[in-house]
Amino acid sequence: DTEVTQTPKHLVMGMTNKKSLKCEQHMGHRAMYWYKQKAKKPPELMFVYSYEKLSINESVPSRFSPECPNSSLLNLHLHALQPEDSALYLCASSLDPGDPTDTQYFGPGTRLTVL
Amino acid sequence: RKEVEQDPGPFNVPEGATVAFNCTYSNSASQSFFWYRQDCRKEPKLLMSVYSSGNEDGRFTAQLNRASQYISLLIRDSKLSDSATYLCVADSGGGADGLTFGKGTHLIIQP
Repeated sequence: DTEVTQTPKHLVMGMTNKKSLKCEQHMGHRAMYWYKQKAKKPPELMFVYSYEKLSINESVPSRFSPECPNSSLLNLHLHALQPEDSALYLCASSLDPGDPTDTQYFGPGTRLTVL
Repeated sequence: RKEVEQDPGPFNVPEGATVAFNCTYSNSASQSFFWYRQDCRKEPKLLMSVYSSGNEDGRFTAQLNRASQYISLLIRDSKLSDSATYLCVADSGGGADGLTFGKGTHLIIQP
């Protein structure tokens, strides 16, 4: 079973709100990822956690704050977002980040609208 | 700069036909390549992985040419349900790393 779950499915928030996106996998995967996807564009990498440590931050604004409480969970905390941050936020996980053949599996995404 | 280039299409193909997509990548350190399928407003779903020269799974064949740095996807006997955007993807060259996505090729299978 290659299932990555994400909650909520949809989120509408104002620019002054604080919210969190959640991602979970129980496949024993050791790497987890956040991507942002705008309409008609490919996913863009935001953050990578490898063995629960942040290994990549692709110059993402500080209004996005990732957290990896344990190997199964990944959160993305949102604060003071802008309307242009509206997008589909995808979580992915992969088994062994040290393996060149490592494959990422995506969750269904959270569709975020910032008003 | 790491880039993956593919023709955005759309490719309009009659049902039952064979269709081929090509994709080029710029990062010679990339070791793993993937084709993901993405339906409208859904997440990317893994279609095929390509590590060596090629891979075949039913109606789908993916080939890798490292010397020329391109990957291809062939779909035989296309079905209406094959209509989707096909994303060509390369790893970023080892270790825990994100993926570099092409912009996707939009395929429309017509009855």
